[in-house]
Amino acid sequence: DVKVTQSSRYLVKRTGEKVFLECVQDMDHENMFWYRQDPGLGLRLIYFSYDVKMKEKGDIPEGYSVSREKKERFSLILESASTNQTSMYLCASCSGGSPQFNYGYTFGSGTRLTVV
Amino acid sequence: AQTVTQSQPEMSVQEAETVTLSCTYDTSESDYYLFWYKQPPSRQMILVIRQEAYKQQNATENRFSVNFQKAAKSFSLKISDSQLGDAAMYFCAFIQGAQKLVFGQGTRLTINP
Repeated sequence: DVKVTQSSRYLVKRTGEKVFLECVQDMDHENMFWYRQDPGLGLRLIYFSYDVKMKEKGDIPEGYSVSREKKERFSLILESASTNQTSMYLCASCSGGSPQFNYGYTFGSGTRLTVV
Repeated sequence: AQTVTQSQPEMSVQEAETVTLSCTYDTSESDYYLFWYKQPPSRQMILVIRQEAYKQQNATENRFSVNFQKAAKSFSLKISDSQLGDAAMYFCAFIQGAQKLVFGQGTRLTINP
């Protein structure tokens, strides 16, 4: 069974801390994504990556950065956590190229981050 | 930019009855894909159904079917014979070419026994 694994299900951090959210996929997917989910706003794309060491900004990249040193791992970094970054974070992956790309994504189970 | 709108924040239905969730989208492209995802309390997003824009025939997956109206840019999800396990957040999503998935705001579906 294919999997996208997020290292933490729940996380509580203090304001100003540097926070790392880890995501690993075992499907040899080229493309990986980080979304933020908030009530009434749906899922919003933070960053995505089409290849190792490659990254692209999504719709809400401010306050975040990413790292993709290996194909299977995509990390989201909160440089200095703030309370407005309290949210659910979802990682996803998919194969590169059409039509595989258009079969949708495989998602992780999410990390609920609380910044106090 | 593409946008997806789900105008129903919450819906409820009696068990065994039929419910329809609404979704509209905005794009100037003619070739794209639409999806409905389900997110149960476990938080695992599950692909429910997928529709290619170039196909006029509406997609169906067991009790789930869509009403795809390309000219109206509408993509509703119908759940027949609702079951307690259908209770979840439902997200409509859109993708065109090699671009990213764009999601709607979500609809929380409650099933009343």
